Amino acid sequence: QKEVEQNSGPLSVPEGAIASLNCTYSDRGSQSFFWYRQYSGKSPELIMFIYSNGDKEDGRFTAQLNKASQYVSLLIRDSQPSDSATYLCAVMGDYKLSFGAGTTVTVRA
Amino acid sequence: GAVVSQHPSWVICKSGTSVKIECRSLDFQATTMFWYRQFPKQSLMLMATSNEGSKATYEQGVEKDKFLINHASLTLSTLTVTSAHPEDSSFYICSALRGPAGAGETQYFGPGTRLLVL
Repeated sequence: QKEVEQNSGPLSVPEGAIASLNCTYSDRGSQSFFWYRQYSGKSPELIMFIYSNGDKEDGRFTAQLNKASQYVSLLIRDSQPSDSATYLCAVMGDYKLSFGAGTTVTVRA
Repeated sequence: GAVVSQHPSWVICKSGTSVKIECRSLDFQATTMFWYRQFPKQSLMLMATSNEGSKATYEQGVEKDKFLINHASLTLSTLTVTSAHPEDSSFYICSALRGPAGAGETQYFGPGTRLLVL
C-alpha cells in the first residue's frame, strides 16, 4: 500500500511570510508528485507537479523533490490570506493518486 | 486548458431514488476518469476508475451495483447512485487524467457534486 505522510497542521503563518509544507512517501518507485490546494467546501485544485529531483518554481510556489530521501515539499512565499486552505500532497502510481491527509494553512493578516 | 466540469453541482433527493452525476473534460480527451467521495473533514476516497469503452474498476468496499459508472465517450463519464440512502449523502468529485504516458500524466478535478439524500 502506498503511503503518503504530510506534516501535521494546522500551520499558521503571518501575511508575507513563507509557508513550508512537507511530505514523505513510501513507494520508492513513484515517479510523479503533485500538490493540490483545497478550499473548504471545494474540490482540489492543482498547484504544482514535479517529476525530477530538485526545485521547480511557479510564481510564489516552489516544489522540491528528493527521490533518494522520498521527500517532497512545497514552499509558499509571500503568503497571502487567499492562500489559506488545505494543501494535499499526492503521489501517482498506476494512474491513481495516493493522498496525504492534508495540511491546513492559515495566513494571518 | 484542462477544465473538468460536473453536473449537477447540488442535488437533493428522496431516499430510494437514483441520482446521475455527469463528469466532462471540456478541452481534452480523457480515456481515464476517476470518481471520489469526500465526507466532511475527511480525505478524498477513491471510489472507482472509469475507463472509456470498458468496465469501471472499483476500489475495495465500493458496491459496484450501487454506484454505476459509464464512460460513454472520451469526454464523459457518469456516476449513478442507485437507490440512494441518507448515508450516501456526500461530496462526489470526479477527475480526468491528462497527459503523455508515464511521468507527465496529471489528474484534473471537477468542481464536485454535493448530494443530500433525505
